[in-house]
Amino acid sequence: GQSLEQPSEVTAVEGAIVQINCTYQTSGFYGLSWYQQHDGGAPTFLSYNALDGLEETGRFSSFLSRSDSYGYLLLQELQMKDSASYFCAVSLSNSNSGYALNFGKGTSLLVTP
Amino acid sequence: GAVVSQHPSRVICKSGTSVKIECRSLDFQATTMFWYRQFPKQSLMLMATSNEGSKATYEQGVEKDKFLINHASLTLSTLTVTSAHPEDSSFYICSATIPTDSSKNIQYFGAGTRLSVL
Repeated sequence: GQSLEQPSEVTAVEGAIVQINCTYQTSGFYGLSWYQQHDGGAPTFLSYNALDGLEETGRFSSFLSRSDSYGYLLLQELQMKDSASYFCAVSLSNSNSGYALNFGKGTSLLVTP
Repeated sequence: GAVVSQHPSRVICKSGTSVKIECRSLDFQATTMFWYRQFPKQSLMLMATSNEGSKATYEQGVEKDKFLINHASLTLSTLTVTSAHPEDSSFYICSATIPTDSSKNIQYFGAGTRLSVL
């Protein structure tokens, strides 16, 4: 089966750094993605790791260790607008073109003044 | 950037009626689209993979006769919830990938449809 674990809630102060961890167990693995979703809105892509290491995109960075089945999303210089839910997702092999995503339960991040 | 449009954004219907939700890729052709369901404060659950010109692939536990998917063109997939009941009330979201840019498996999501069945 497939399972992804991430903390349900995280609170941090504006300007701080926060790390959201994700561990996964899957029978097939092609990469780990991170998506942001504001309340009632569409998920938007943040970052993707197919290989071990760190990927940096502006204030957001994502890390993957395939041997540990572990990854994290790092958010720096937190802003109030970063308050949202963050989902890690595993890319799964699909018999059709394109890879389906299996999402974790999401981490609700609250940024306080 | 890639834009996916989903319509309607919200629908309220009576129990027993059918509801059709449209998902369109506006500036790219999508051979594959995905349909998800999301309950409040919970994760996105993949319901099915929609492929242009062929039958959709449904995830385990998803009734294909209940949730009809049609992908008649490279820019449009529809999800029809047939004979809707209150337990079908949920947030339905579609997504699409750009076939020529699959290296990061980025999925572009529609804004979602909030279905309320009375």
